Amino acid sequence: SQTIHQWPATLVQPVGSPLSLECTVEGTSNPNLYWYRQAAGRGLQLLFYSVGIGQISSEVPQNLSASRPQDRQFILSSKKLLLSDSGFYLCAWKVWGGVRYEQYFGPGTRLTVT
Amino acid sequence: EDKVVQSPLSLVVHEGDTVTLNCSYEVTNFRSLLWYKQEKKAPTFLFMLTSSGIEKKSGRLSSILDKKELFSILNITATQTGDSAVYLCAVEAFPSISNFGNEKLTFGTGTRLTIIP
Repeated sequence: SQTIHQWPATLVQPVGSPLSLECTVEGTSNPNLYWYRQAAGRGLQLLFYSVGIGQISSEVPQNLSASRPQDRQFILSSKKLLLSDSGFYLCAWKVWGGVRYEQYFGPGTRLTVT
Repeated sequence: EDKVVQSPLSLVVHEGDTVTLNCSYEVTNFRSLLWYKQEKKAPTFLFMLTSSGIEKKSGRLSSILDKKELFSILNITATQTGDSAVYLCAVEAFPSISNFGNEKLTFGTGTRLTIIP
């Protein structure tokens, strides 16, 4: 069965510091991978998606970036965090072209920028 | 731009009550509508709906889609305290030729359901 891992689970970082969040998927090949952010009281906002290694699409302009160095690894980064980057970051996967279209989410990382 | 609106924003009911959560949407090239339940952490998948008028059921939860009126409802009967959560609705559109392979979801802000024992 497929599982998705995210780490760290929680993170407190000062403004201006760098960020690296990692997401890995097991039990599937060539998944679509997604990074979402959920700010307090708001819905899930899609930040990045990837349909393959090295292929990243950005949905919103921001100081964040994403990379996909391996098929089942998706990394969210920032060189300098802003207060507005605080939120709950979720990684999700989906099998491209599969019969089942739903996305599955990782456990999430709660980021607090101070 | 694709849009999903959920109502009510929050709902407080007593255990045993029946609730109906609403989701309306505007999306180009609609493919599917999905419901998720989010407790403390990551959303968990409940239903995917692609066809109008076909009810999906899972225990006390059920959902139906109306593609003509562009909405879906999620019903929960005989509610229990464990049903307390944020319920998220999302819609998926068919990717365009230039965007093939991107099957992204647009989420609503959710309905926060609280069940009082």
